[in-house]
Amino acid sequence: AQSVTQLDSHVSVSEGTPVLLRCNYSSSYSPSLFWYVQHPNKGLQLLLKYTSAATLVKGINGFEAEFKKSETSFHLTKPSAHMSDAAEYFCVVIRNSGNTPLVFGKGTRLSVIA
Amino acid sequence: GAVVSQHPSWVICKSGTSVKIECRSLDFQATTMFWYRQFPKQSLMLMATSNEGSKATYEQGVEKDKFLINHASLTLSTLTVTSAHPEDSSFYICSAGPGTIGTDTQYFGPGTRLTVL
Repeated sequence: AQSVTQLDSHVSVSEGTPVLLRCNYSSSYSPSLFWYVQHPNKGLQLLLKYTSAATLVKGINGFEAEFKKSETSFHLTKPSAHMSDAAEYFCVVIRNSGNTPLVFGKGTRLSVIA
Repeated sequence: GAVVSQHPSWVICKSGTSVKIECRSLDFQATTMFWYRQFPKQSLMLMATSNEGSKATYEQGVEKDKFLINHASLTLSTLTVTSAHPEDSSFYICSAGPGTIGTDTQYFGPGTRLTVL
C-alpha cells in the first residue's frame, strides 16, 4: 500500500531563510506525489505534484520539490520563507493510479519567525 | 483550475439530530468524489468514496449507516451524519477530480466544520 511519512511535525524558520519540509514515501510502483498546504480556517491548496515527468517539480509561491527514487524522498523546499508561508503542509500520495483517493501524511506545521 | 464547493461551511447541531453536507463540482463532472474527516491538529482521513449512481465505498471503521452518502448526479454528493454525537464534531472535506484518463489531480472543497453540542 502507498504511504507517506512526514519526518517533522513542526518546523520553525526565520523569515528570509530557507525552508525544508521532509517527506518519505513508500510505494510498490512509481507513485504520484503531491504537496498540499492548509492555512488556518481555509481549504487545501495544491502546491505542486510529481507524476513521473521531471524529478524537480516547481510549484506555486516559490516552492519546489525533488523526487529522489533512490532515497524514496519528496522533500519540499523554498529558498526564502515569508510570513505568509506559515501553515500546515501535507505530503500526499495517490492510492492507486487515476481518479482514486489520496493518502495524507500527518502534516508538518511551518512557523515563520519575524 | 476546477472548483469544488461545500455547503454549509459550518454547522452547529444538537446531539441526536442529523446534518447534511453538500459537495458540488462547479465546472466539471465527477463520477467519483471522496469524503475525508479531519480532527483538530490531525491529518485528513478518508471516510468513503462516493460513486455516482451506485453505493458508496466506505473505509474500514467508518459506519455506513451513520454516515450516509448519496451521489445522485455528476456534480453533487451529499454526506449525512445521522444521529450526530459530540464525537462526530470534526472538519469534513470533500474532493473530486475530473476523472480524465491519466489525470489524478483532486480538487478539494473548503470544508465543513461540524460541532455537535
